[in-house]
Amino acid sequence: DQQVKQNSPSLSVQEGRISILNCDYTNSMFDYFLWYKKYPAEGPTFLISISSIKDKNEDGRFTVFLNKSAKHLSLHIVPSQPGDSAVYFCAATDYGGSQGNLIFGKGTKLSVKP
Amino acid sequence: KAGVTQTPRYLIKTRGQQVTLSCSPISGHRSVSWYQQTPGQGLQFLFEYFSETQRNKGNFPGRFSGRQFSNSRSEMNVSTLELGDSALYLCASSPRGGTGNTIYFGEGSWLTVV
Repeated sequence: DQQVKQNSPSLSVQEGRISILNCDYTNSMFDYFLWYKKYPAEGPTFLISISSIKDKNEDGRFTVFLNKSAKHLSLHIVPSQPGDSAVYFCAATDYGGSQGNLIFGKGTKLSVKP
Repeated sequence: KAGVTQTPRYLIKTRGQQVTLSCSPISGHRSVSWYQQTPGQGLQFLFEYFSETQRNKGNFPGRFSGRQFSNSRSEMNVSTLELGDSALYLCASSPRGGTGNTIYFGEGSWLTVV
């Protein structure tokens, strides 16, 4: 049973517009969430994270929103750029647990068209 | 600062053989974890080592094993290889484990079993 779900396998957005990537989780023990970006043949690159004590975290063009009651988080990229085209993974872990044990969603492939 | 280094990057093995993959974490990082990425299952946690001790283990058969050395370098071994073991194996390191520390990934080792 998937504990972290990214229900959209792909997303296509025009350059300059907003990209919104969604992630749902089922385990209420998850208390820390991360987003990673991955290009083919490379390892995932950390983008942004959020603790459950917050509902929003912002870093430049990237903002992550967390809705604990809905067990839902989203990543907003504004404005989207062609270089953002990659697979985005949502990951979760439980507070106080080992940081090494991340549970990943299956990813959303973002294509930003010029 | 050097990143997470994995060797070899690519390898081809025959069913029934065994394979050893190596990972050098970022200098100063004591937690090393391993993940398997396949098209169907996405990124799945294998195990995590901290100070030479396995701290967490994912849901993989006993054919998958690992170890960590005193310098934090880690190896993972897969014995009696099966076709389904063909995957990208990713190593990740973090400073000391524990929630809030960012995990940094290597570029991965591509294993093909024929």
